[in-house]
Amino acid sequence: AQTVTQSQPEMSVQEAETVTLSCTYDTSESDYYLFWYKQPPSRQMILVIRQEAYKQQNATENRFSVNFQKAAKSFSLKISDSQLGDAAMYFCAYRSGGGNQFYFGTGTSLTVIP
Amino acid sequence: NAGVMQNPRHLVRRRGQEARLRCSPMKGHSHVYWYRQLPEEGLKFMVYLQKENIIDESGMPKERFSAEFPKEGPSILRIQQVVRGDSAAYFCASSRPGQGYEQYFGPGTRLTVT
Repeated sequence: AQTVTQSQPEMSVQEAETVTLSCTYDTSESDYYLFWYKQPPSRQMILVIRQEAYKQQNATENRFSVNFQKAAKSFSLKISDSQLGDAAMYFCAYRSGGGNQFYFGTGTSLTVIP
Repeated sequence: NAGVMQNPRHLVRRRGQEARLRCSPMKGHSHVYWYRQLPEEGLKFMVYLQKENIIDESGMPKERFSAEFPKEGPSILRIQQVVRGDSAAYFCASSRPGQGYEQYFGPGTRLTVT
């Protein structure tokens, strides 16, 4: 089974600063998708950003961008101009191109300091 | 367009009782996935269903757990004879056919077994 590793259980960032959350994954497949989900205290899972493995260009959604290093199997999330509303658990997830399920990491708890 | 709906949001059961969790997918989505999130962990895949069919139940415990997605009505995750270890958040996600890489999550049901 694929594994997704988030080595930072907790991170903190000053409001308006930039923070990077790390994620690595293990797979032998070439066709897959990677995701970052945000889970605020409400527990709702919110899709932040998605990356298709065949795309070399890093995905970007407003203040959120990723650094996708396919050879290194690394998929980090950069949050620019951090806001108080960004405080949440962030989960990295993997799905193979032909698979059914998502594989999630154990999450990183992000605190934003005013 | 309503999102994925789950009810109840909170469910308390005593040991030995049955728990029924319901999930209504987004409009136009006919594929449903169930995930379980234990405390301090990421989501773990349980089962993938299409209307009237279980496609992949590789993550489902062999005993006490069952799932269905009837032709009419919501998908149901049933846990018989609950034990304390079943206490968790249960999330449902849905997708369109052929778009399993784009799963939309519901708000989850938090099950507490006393």
